[in-house]
Amino acid sequence: SQTIHQWPATLVQPVGSPLSLECTVEGTSNPNLYWYRQAAGRGLQLLFYSVGIGQISSEVPQNLSASRPQDRQFILSSKKLLLSDSGFYLCAWKQFANTGELFFGEGSRLTVL
Amino acid sequence: QQPVQSPQAVILREGEDAVINCSSSKALYSVHWYRQKHGEAPVFLMILLKGGEQKGHEKISASFNEKKQQSSLYLTASQLSYSGTYFCGTVPSPGSYQLTFGKGTKLSVIP
Repeated sequence: SQTIHQWPATLVQPVGSPLSLECTVEGTSNPNLYWYRQAAGRGLQLLFYSVGIGQISSEVPQNLSASRPQDRQFILSSKKLLLSDSGFYLCAWKQFANTGELFFGEGSRLTVL
Repeated sequence: QQPVQSPQAVILREGEDAVINCSSSKALYSVHWYRQKHGEAPVFLMILLKGGEQKGHEKISASFNEKKQQSSLYLTASQLSYSGTYFCGTVPSPGSYQLTFGKGTKLSVIP
């Protein structure tokens, strides 16, 4: 069966510090991968999605970036965090483009102070 | 483009019905519905692919009006377990990997 893991689960970072959130999927190949952010009043905001290694589509211009160095690994990064980067970050995967459900990871709660 | 959900929040007593609406200013190919409990990841409910199609999940069903670019989620005879935040997600065209969610509707079911 397929599983998705993301870490760390919780982190508190000072403004201006770097960020790295990691997500891996097991039990499937060539998944479509997504990063969403959930902040108060914004719902589930799509940040990035990837349909293959090295292929990243950005939805929201910001100081965040994403990379997909391996088929089942998706990384969210920032060189310098802002207060507005605080939120609940969710990694997700789905097998097909417009059908099939989206499976979410457990989430990473980021607080920037 | 983020779909618009209404209402933002609703409180029901057990056994009552509710409707959550989702609309988009752009053409839609499919609509997805998810429910999120507090502190947990969203969980899939259903996908609607064709205009006018209705699907059901226990006592939760949904419709999709492709021409109006709208979808509605129907919760009948609500149970305490239905409490949570409901999100609709939209896909603009066939073959698109872009799945964009609305801001959510918080549903609270009380005894």
